[in-house]
Amino acid sequence: EAGVAQSPRYKIIEKRQSVAFWCNPISGHATLYWYQQILGQGPKLLIQFQNNGVVDDSQLPKDRFSAERLKGVDSTLKIQPAKLEDSAVYLCASSKYRGTEAFFGQGTRLTVV
Amino acid sequence: GENVGLHLPTLSVQEGDNSIINCAYSNSASDYFIWYKQESGKGPQFIIDIRSNMDKRQGQRVTVLLNKTVKHLSLQIAATQPGDSAVYFCAETPTSGTYKYIFGTGTRLKVLA
Repeated sequence: EAGVAQSPRYKIIEKRQSVAFWCNPISGHATLYWYQQILGQGPKLLIQFQNNGVVDDSQLPKDRFSAERLKGVDSTLKIQPAKLEDSAVYLCASSKYRGTEAFFGQGTRLTVV
Repeated sequence: GENVGLHLPTLSVQEGDNSIINCAYSNSASDYFIWYKQESGKGPQFIIDIRSNMDKRQGQRVTVLLNKTVKHLSLQIAATQPGDSAVYFCAETPTSGTYKYIFGTGTRLKVLA
């Protein structure tokens, strides 16, 4: 079974630029998560989808971050405009059902300079 | 991501010894817990989970213990191997509401040859 796919693996942008990350979850997984992991910390949930609906986006900085999962499969996370403090690894995860184990992709490492 | 665990608590263990990694969780409503292993440059990898109706669960070389009274979780790794070197995170979630996974701060395990 293929795992969670993310791209790109690395991205370097200047502050105030925009960036987008893509995630393809495990086939058949209804729940999709985007996490932000700052160096030396545990992952922090940004947004959670159940199929194509948002379940939790309470920690998403909505003035600059947006995410969508239009057909209930792939998802994109966008940052516009980026700030220096957005430098982190952005992890996508999926689970078959809510309340079951979540499987993570390798992440996208974003550096904002 | 890369350099995960740069500022995290570190546990150093001799190869072949047993390791015990501890985690205090915050939400008394959490009833599902997962241990993840994260190697440098990779996303978190599922190790073992436990639900709140259990005190102990065993896997291959790993055991998770749950003490709901003091909101404490531990991961025991038997006969620790060099490949066990990584950062370990516990994650908690209530299996109601949004089923949001909340990660702890992590512990870096170093296996000494």
